[in-house]
Amino acid sequence: GAGVSQSPRYKVAKRGQDVALRCDPISGHVSLFWYQQALGQGPEFLTYFQNEAQLDKSGLPSDRFFAERPEGSVSTLKIQRTQQEDSAVYLCASSLAQGGAEQFFGPGTRLTVL
Amino acid sequence: GENVEQHPSTLSVQEGDSAVIKCTYSDSASNYFPWYKQELGKGPQLIIDIRSNVGEKKDQRIAVTLNKTAKHFSLHITETQPEDSAVYFCAAINTGNQFYFGTGTSLTVIP
Repeated sequence: GAGVSQSPRYKVAKRGQDVALRCDPISGHVSLFWYQQALGQGPEFLTYFQNEAQLDKSGLPSDRFFAERPEGSVSTLKIQRTQQEDSAVYLCASSLAQGGAEQFFGPGTRLTVL
Repeated sequence: GENVEQHPSTLSVQEGDSAVIKCTYSDSASNYFPWYKQELGKGPQLIIDIRSNVGEKKDQRIAVTLNKTAKHFSLHITETQPEDSAVYFCAAINTGNQFYFGTGTSLTVIP
């Protein structure tokens, strides 16, 4: 079945490099969410899209983080000038409807910044 | 913003026993409370959820209870099996559609 997919699954970057993480949501899902999950912690909200509109980006930790979903389907999370503290698993989730609906998570991208 | 606390952080039970995980939340406007199971190297998977107009919901061996007045909700797993071993997260969604997750409970079911 076609669930949420993310690529790459693993990414190693040198400090200062830019990275781009991709999320393919379930077809037809309106809402898309990005989360950051540090080791041993729960996912922390980063940003939320409804179709192509980014409705909430309050969780993005700095202006080095940027997310887009230009056609309302695939989304990319970009991190510029990566720092060691950016090392985490980045999870993407999608849901069929707006708000209060079940979120389906992808497997995540594990980012390691050296 | 919302603050979700989860206890315990680790839990070990004998196979066949029950497991209970508790969460509290702070934002009285939160109205949707899902529970997720996360296995190593995988994304969280929804196992049960409850909305604020319901006090209890059950699905086979899994149940969730919600006390809106006290702002806490609990996950109950009965007749635990080794395959129930995983990390469990509670979450609360607020009116801004943000999910706030607890810090997780690592459940180990001992055969």
